[in-house]
Amino acid sequence: AQSVAQPEDQVNVAEGNPLTVKCTYSVSGNPYLFWYVQYPNRGLQFLLKYITGDNLVKGSYGFEAEFNKSQTSFHLKKPSALVSDSALYFCAVRVDYGGATNKLIFGTGTLLAVQP
Amino acid sequence: DAGVIQSPRHEVTEMGQEVTLRCKPISGHNSLFWYRQTMMRGLELLIYFNNNVPIDDSGMPEDRFSAKMPNASFSTLKIQPSEPRDSAVYFCASSPGTGGRAGELFFGEGSRLTVL
Repeated sequence: AQSVAQPEDQVNVAEGNPLTVKCTYSVSGNPYLFWYVQYPNRGLQFLLKYITGDNLVKGSYGFEAEFNKSQTSFHLKKPSALVSDSALYFCAVRVDYGGATNKLIFGTGTLLAVQP
Repeated sequence: DAGVIQSPRHEVTEMGQEVTLRCKPISGHNSLFWYRQTMMRGLELLIYFNNNVPIDDSGMPEDRFSAKMPNASFSTLKIQPSEPRDSAVYFCASSPGTGGRAGELFFGEGSRLTVL
């Protein structure tokens, strides 16, 4: 069964410093991995995804994620954090029914707090 | 594009009452999802429709919950009778479907339900 794990409930970083939000995955077959962000009192927003190709995926708002097959990880990164990046971040994996599917399983979320 | 539209945004009701949550997906999207978010359980997929047909309802908690999608532009999630433990934020999301954009979900702003 497909699953993702986000080992950190919260990540604190100073504005201007690089940030990393961790995600590990467990899948049978090829992984389809996603990052979403949720701002307070809002729905989730798609940030980026990995399906195949380059291990470094670039997404919205300057975020990127590195796919590492040997470590089964898909960490979200940004070179320089902004206070406005403070939000709840979710890693997700697409469920494989053996055919086409849109079903995602989300991790527990990591709260990113960027201090000015 | 108006995005995914959910109503009501907030609902407060008493235990035992029927609750109906509504969702209008983005035009042209053929997948629709209902998620529930709580502090304790995180983000849970309740049901997933593809081309108006329920594909996976394994996340529906019990018989008190039901969901319908009578056409491509409207879906409802009904709870009857409601219980305090149903208090949560319910999100509707839609997706363009399979292919290159599979897994890219567009979330509504959510319906915050409080059952007293």
